[in-house]
Amino acid sequence: DTEVTQTPKHLVMGMTNKKSLKCEQHMGHRAMYWYKQKAKKPPELMFVYSYEKLSINESVPSRFSPECPNSSLLNLHLHALQPEDSALYLCASSQRTGRRNTEAFFGQGTRLTVV
Amino acid sequence: DAKTTQPNSMESNEEEPVHLPCNHSTISGTDYIHWYRQLPSQGPEYVIHGLTSNVNNRMASLAIAEDRKSSTLILHRATLRDAAVYYCILKMLEGGSEKLVFGKGTKLTVNP
Repeated sequence: DTEVTQTPKHLVMGMTNKKSLKCEQHMGHRAMYWYKQKAKKPPELMFVYSYEKLSINESVPSRFSPECPNSSLLNLHLHALQPEDSALYLCASSQRTGRRNTEAFFGQGTRLTVV
Repeated sequence: DAKTTQPNSMESNEEEPVHLPCNHSTISGTDYIHWYRQLPSQGPEYVIHGLTSNVNNRMASLAIAEDRKSSTLILHRATLRDAAVYYCILKMLEGGSEKLVFGKGTKLTVNP
């Protein structure tokens, strides 16, 4: 199984709502990532988890709150978002080797629309 | 972060080879060069990576310049399914964690 599964595929939420995005992998990977991708732009790194601990936060606003409850799951909790936060949110995972020579596997993303 | 420079777009004909260039003049000695591609409406997909030597796999070949300041992704026979945005990335370490920082990428169009 070399899949990274993201749910839901599409999400529409109001600016006062609280919602969560979910990402799951069963490849035994210990590094997991959240990216944000606006239309016709490259993915932008948001967070990196290593061995279930947050290791990199790319100065992401606090209305995005990541969580890694176990080695297979990664969540992104959303609260009080703005319309400009509408984007494709991508999850990825890779083996944690610290040697930069491993490939990352990406999910298909969650298409988020904030109204 | 180390940066890569790629042409915004390239065009190819089906069944012809495609050479996608990438400049990475600020590469450090231990940075790996990774290539990913993103097909429309999909997440990025790993293509190939290398450090110093040229690399081949079932999808593509990677040619790395001797000074490592540039590289070229080679698709030997382009198909319509190869139409995608191709990203050249230097995978780096920060605080012991690996991260992939995407550049702008090259949009490849394949003509039938």
